[in-house]
Amino acid sequence: QKEVEQNSGPLSVPEGAIASLNCTYSDRGSQSFFWYRQYSGKSPELIMSIYSNGDKEDGRFTAQLNKASQYVSLLIRDSQPSDSATYLCAVKGGDSWGKLQFGAGTQVVVTP
Amino acid sequence: GAVVSQHPSRVICKSGTSVKIECRSLDFQATTMFWYRQFPKQSLMLMATSNEGSKATYEQGVEKDKFLINHASLTLSTLTVTSAHPEDSSFYICSASLASQIHEQYFGPGTRLTVT
Repeated sequence: QKEVEQNSGPLSVPEGAIASLNCTYSDRGSQSFFWYRQYSGKSPELIMSIYSNGDKEDGRFTAQLNKASQYVSLLIRDSQPSDSATYLCAVKGGDSWGKLQFGAGTQVVVTP
Repeated sequence: GAVVSQHPSRVICKSGTSVKIECRSLDFQATTMFWYRQFPKQSLMLMATSNEGSKATYEQGVEKDKFLINHASLTLSTLTVTSAHPEDSSFYICSASLASQIHEQYFGPGTRLTVT
């Protein structure tokens, strides 16, 4: 079983709609959760971090964390073609100092 | 924000030669730097964790004698791919944390290595 799981996609989203990305993790001791955006051929860019249960909003992005369900999600509101990228969920395990476990990523395609 | 640079951005080398990649934190001191490798259509694979002034910790299956990591200062870590082979061709990316126990990692732009 993979430690961090994401649907690979592609997730096709009409422009202006909400993109919903999901991520589950296996280490119940995990404390920190991140969403990175990676454009093709580029390195990942940190877009959201969340550490406590509930919602965290930043602009058009909302991260949601439910530690009891070991689930973290990312919502992208008013999706734009520039949001087309691969979104990586990353989790810092409870016993791995500084190390992140990455999911395989979900490809998002925003169609005009 | 925290800015991390890498040099070179692209490098082509012949099989059997060595290549050095530099990773610098430009506006902060990075106690810890991480080196990743990413093959096409795959996710990032952590190669090693590098702490300033100490030996790097390598992930299982990563040859420490082939991938030499030096973290001599709080702003610079280097990865040297020794005796490179075509199968080492990949996208190498470093990341840095602002300070120990801080969880966020900021990534450099990556180095695309092609071994001919």
